[in-house]
Amino acid sequence: AAGVIQSPRHLIKEKRETATLKCYPIPRHDTVYWYQQGPGQDPQFLISFYEKMQSDKGSIPDRFSAQQFSDYHSELNMSSLELGDSALYFCASSLDRQGGNEQFFGPGTRLTVL
Amino acid sequence: AQSVTQLDSQVPVFEEAPVELRCNYSSSVSVYLFWYVQYPNQGLQLLLKYLSGSTLVKGINGFEAEFKKSETSFHLTKPSADMSDAAEYFCAVSDRGVTGGGNKLTFGTGTQLKVEL
Repeated sequence: AAGVIQSPRHLIKEKRETATLKCYPIPRHDTVYWYQQGPGQDPQFLISFYEKMQSDKGSIPDRFSAQQFSDYHSELNMSSLELGDSALYFCASSLDRQGGNEQFFGPGTRLTVL
Repeated sequence: AQSVTQLDSQVPVFEEAPVELRCNYSSSVSVYLFWYVQYPNQGLQLLLKYLSGSTLVKGINGFEAEFKKSETSFHLTKPSADMSDAAEYFCAVSDRGVTGGGNKLTFGTGTQLKVEL
C-alpha cells in the first residue's frame, strides 16, 4: 500500500539559509498535518491543511510557511534558519471524516542547521 | 486545551515479562486516544486507537490498552515483551468530532521501552 512520502529525508543547511520540505500524502487523502520533533522531544503540531486550505495552526514560527497544492502535496518553507530549527519534521495525512481519522505518518525529514 | 502525561520516561522489562506503559490525559472536551510507536530514525506507527465503544482496545504486535474515563487514563499493556518491542512509545489525543482538518494530535513526552534478556 502507498504510504506518505517525504523529501528530502535528510537536509543540512547553514544558519540564515532557507529550506523547503515536501510531503506527498497517501492517494485520496485530503488532509495533511505537519509536526516538528526536536531531539528527545515529542512531536509538536505545526500546521494542517484540508482540501488545500489551511485548517489549523500550532506553534509554527512566522519564519515558516506552508501550503497544500492542487495535487494535495504540501510544502513547508523555512526561512532564516536557526540552530534551534534542527529537528525531525513529520508529515501525516488522513482522510477527513467525523473525527477519529487515523493519521498516517511519513518517515520524516531530518533537518540539521549548522 | 489538552495535555498528555507519560510519567515514565523509560521502562525496563525483561524479555517475556509483562509490559505496562502509563498514559494520563487532560481535556475539557471528549477525546480520541492513540498509541504510536517510533523505532530509531523512523516515523510514527499507529499501535492502536480508542474512538468509541469497547473501552478495551486491541492493537498490533499483541498490545492492548484500556480507556478509563474516570481515571482519564489509557495505559498500554502487553502480556509478554519481545526484544523487537524496544522502541519509543507515544500516547496522543485529539478532539472528538472535529472535521475539516482540525484533528491535530497532542502527544505525551514518550516512554522508552527497554527490553533486556
